[in-house]
Amino acid sequence: SQELEQSPQSLIVQEGKNLTINCTSSKTLYGLYWYKQKYGEGLIFLMMLQKGGEEKSHEKITAKLDEKKQQSSLHITASQPSHAGIYLCGADMDSGNTPLVFGKGTRLSVIA
Amino acid sequence: DGGITQSPKYLFRKEGQNVTLSCEQNLNHDAMYWYRQDPGQGLRLIYYSQIVNDFQKGDIAEGYSVSREKKESFPLTVTSAQKNPTAFYLCASSIFWRERGEDEQFFGPGTRLTVL
Repeated sequence: SQELEQSPQSLIVQEGKNLTINCTSSKTLYGLYWYKQKYGEGLIFLMMLQKGGEEKSHEKITAKLDEKKQQSSLHITASQPSHAGIYLCGADMDSGNTPLVFGKGTRLSVIA
Repeated sequence: DGGITQSPKYLFRKEGQNVTLSCEQNLNHDAMYWYRQDPGQGLRLIYYSQIVNDFQKGDIAEGYSVSREKKESFPLTVTSAQKNPTAFYLCASSIFWRERGEDEQFFGPGTRLTVL
């Protein structure tokens, strides 16, 4: 079973509109990482959240981690074509030095 | 510039042949990882290595092999036993002894393997 659920699977928004992508786990997360990927390329790190209730912003992208550390959201304000791509959440699921677990990704398209 | 390189970017092989994908990093990271990405599947872990001369199977290791003879290098061999090898392969690295929740993984540009 998928340990990290991302929603929606895909999203088409008009340029200038806001949008939110969600990442949910049934377990408490030790760290939550957001990455962006352009088709056929590697992943680019966006932000990392570690503490319950934490919120970080970079330019027009804001990521939040809930108090229980089981759900994170990525919010894009006033979307632009440059925001298009696949957004993936990755999580540190236990206390050991184990690889991150990733969600299936959300494909975002921004239309003019 | 520090980073992770993967080569080649595109790779074609005939069915039944083994092929090796290269991954090199100059970030002085102890841990390295191989993921496979298929449409709609996200990233699935193939193998990972947390230290030289040691590696662990991930969720989908069957049909793959790796070696970690040097800290900088973690090549992945896709063997003929892998039933559906056509995919996008991503290599990543990170520090090993990290503080909990600070294990950012750095990714290479990926190799797209197509079996003809």
